[in-house]
Amino acid sequence: LAKTTQPISMDSYEGQEVNITCSHNNIATNDYITWYQQFPSQGPRFIIQGYKTKVTNEVASLFIPADRKSSTLSLPRVSLSDTAVYYCLLSKTSYDKVIFGPGTSLSVIP
Amino acid sequence: DAGVTQSPTHLIKTRGQQVTLRCSPKSGHDTVSWYQQALGQGPQFIFQYYEEEERQRGNFPDRFSGHQFPNYSSELNVNALLLGDSALYLCASSPGLARYEQYFGPGTRLTVT
Repeated sequence: LAKTTQPISMDSYEGQEVNITCSHNNIATNDYITWYQQFPSQGPRFIIQGYKTKVTNEVASLFIPADRKSSTLSLPRVSLSDTAVYYCLLSKTSYDKVIFGPGTSLSVIP
Repeated sequence: DAGVTQSPTHLIKTRGQQVTLRCSPKSGHDTVSWYQQALGQGPQFIFQYYEEEERQRGNFPDRFSGHQFPNYSSELNVNALLLGDSALYLCASSPGLARYEQYFGPGTRLTVT
């Protein structure tokens, strides 16, 4: 299974744009890149998913370069409520074994 | 539309006992996965059920077993509990082969004393 690497922690001030980069050098051609958000004592929540180029929804944007060896989750104008752990992971289908890494702990500072 | 539900919310067991956790998937979902999340770590994949069969399994011992019912709900059973089994147990459901995102429940906090 392809492995992902992301920073353990990040700090940001309220109102700033936050970019969290995930490295996945051994990504397979049929892997999709998925990001989840998790608050303490809650289950992870799906944020965004993409295969290539750029994907945007009401919550975030996902940038994927042509070689797909990395991806960047962009959170516009973060607020205190965005303080959470963000996980980057790879999966092929909903039946694929999903591997979570330690994630990136984002702390938003007032 | 109810999301993924899990019961119970919290559970305290003694070492050596057995425990059963329950999960009801989101409406329209037919695949259920179980995860164990220790404090400060990411969720670890236990196994996945589809059409009442175990389809994928993570690196967990046979003490961890499961079942999926015809209505797609699922149970996770853990036998001979160890102190190290204390964790948040998460259930996730997904809507089928063509989709990739999983919807997680709130989890069951299991404490083994």
